[in-house]
Amino acid sequence: NAGVTQTPKFRVLKTGQSMTLLCAQDMNHEYMYWYRQDPGMGLRLIHYSVGEGTTAKGEVPDGYNVSRLKKQNFLLGLESAAPSQTSVYFCASSYYPLSYEQYFGPGTRLTVT
Amino acid sequence: AQSVTQLGSHVSVSEGALVLLRCNYSSSVPPYLFWYVQYPNQGLQLLLKYTSAATLVKGINGFEAEFKKSETSFHLTKPSAHMSDAAEYFCAVSDGRTRAHSGAGSYQLTFGKGTKLSVIP
Repeated sequence: NAGVTQTPKFRVLKTGQSMTLLCAQDMNHEYMYWYRQDPGMGLRLIHYSVGEGTTAKGEVPDGYNVSRLKKQNFLLGLESAAPSQTSVYFCASSYYPLSYEQYFGPGTRLTVT
Repeated sequence: AQSVTQLGSHVSVSEGALVLLRCNYSSSVPPYLFWYVQYPNQGLQLLLKYTSAATLVKGINGFEAEFKKSETSFHLTKPSAHMSDAAEYFCAVSDGRTRAHSGAGSYQLTFGKGTKLSVIP
């Protein structure tokens, strides 16, 4: 049981390049989330999904897109990366929303130059 | 709207001393409250959670937190700090509603900005 895994662990992009971050969970969780973590800012929710085929915007969705084609996977895309998107990105999943534990992946450190 | 304030971005304690990390929240409805811990270069791990049962909540690694509605607080404590407790701690709040219950609920956990705990030998 690997829990929540994220690919890649590190990435450096040039401004304007695109990339996709992959999150996978093997716990059969319905709910999945993408957060970004910046120094002194805590975690902020980018997008989330309440089930296969659904996505919704969180607190800071601009510049990102997501897809949940399979229940176990949640993809985060950057179509045209900007330096302001330099951050550590965390994926999380949960069986129930809110009152139950969110399980976090190890994070992806992205630098946009 | 909900919000979380963690007092002190950095707290230092001596090994064996009391750990007290402060968290105050605001929520328009009875909240669910959480403390997460993040060790260096790792994801977040749940320490404990309050979901409207007992107001004193015990978590892993000897930590506990008390929900005080009158003070809108959920402070995290541990009687005796250990070197392995050095990490960053995040308080989080949700309003506990879901679309199924309210038709206009939120799935969002709102996190505080974190408190980095250092333990001095």
